Amino acid sequence: KQEVTQIPAALSVPEGENLVLNCSFTDSAIYNLQWFRQDPGKGLTSLLLIQSSQREQTSGRLNASLDKSSGRSTLYIAASQPGDSATYLCAVRPRDSNYQLIWGAGTKLIIKP
Amino acid sequence: NAGVTQTPKFQVLKTGQSMTLQCAQDMNHEYMSWYRQDPGMGLRLIHYSVGAGITDQGEVPNGYNVSRSTTEDFPLRLLSAAPSQTSVYFCASIDEGTGVGNTIYFGEGSWLTVV
Repeated sequence: KQEVTQIPAALSVPEGENLVLNCSFTDSAIYNLQWFRQDPGKGLTSLLLIQSSQREQTSGRLNASLDKSSGRSTLYIAASQPGDSATYLCAVRPRDSNYQLIWGAGTKLIIKP
Repeated sequence: NAGVTQTPKFQVLKTGQSMTLQCAQDMNHEYMSWYRQDPGMGLRLIHYSVGAGITDQGEVPNGYNVSRSTTEDFPLRLLSAAPSQTSVYFCASIDEGTGVGNTIYFGEGSWLTVV
């Protein structure tokens, strides 16, 4: 059974730092992996989607990498800003699923001004 | 373009009561789903639908019922609310079209408390 883990559960860093959020999964048979942002009281917003054949995706200050063989993905945030404070979740779509996603519990990120 | 709209945003129920969480999308997506989010846990799939008239169970379907009479609407019914169903519920739809990598769109969530 596919399991997705995100460590740490919470992270607090000063503004301006570059940081890395981690996501690990137990079964490499995935169709894709996505990173999401969740703000308090709000829904989830898709940040980056990496297909299984890709190694990384970039959007602005965000870069997500995927290493299927080791079951790991990282989300790199450059030059962090207080507006980046949110909970970041990763989710994998198993290869045998029908658009179903398996989710990590998220990392709550606080950027201190 | 409103995206995915969920109502109500907040609801308090008494044990044993029933209610329906409404979800509507205006993007003509075939795939829709309902998740629940509990503290310290990832989102868990309750039910999903791949098109009008077709529904299926997810990971945690017990105590919930769904129907899909139109492409736009996918309501979630709590048959007899229990305190274990206190959670945040999210409706989502997926764009299966080419070029967008199956982007998933979420509603803003429904906070449900069962007392």
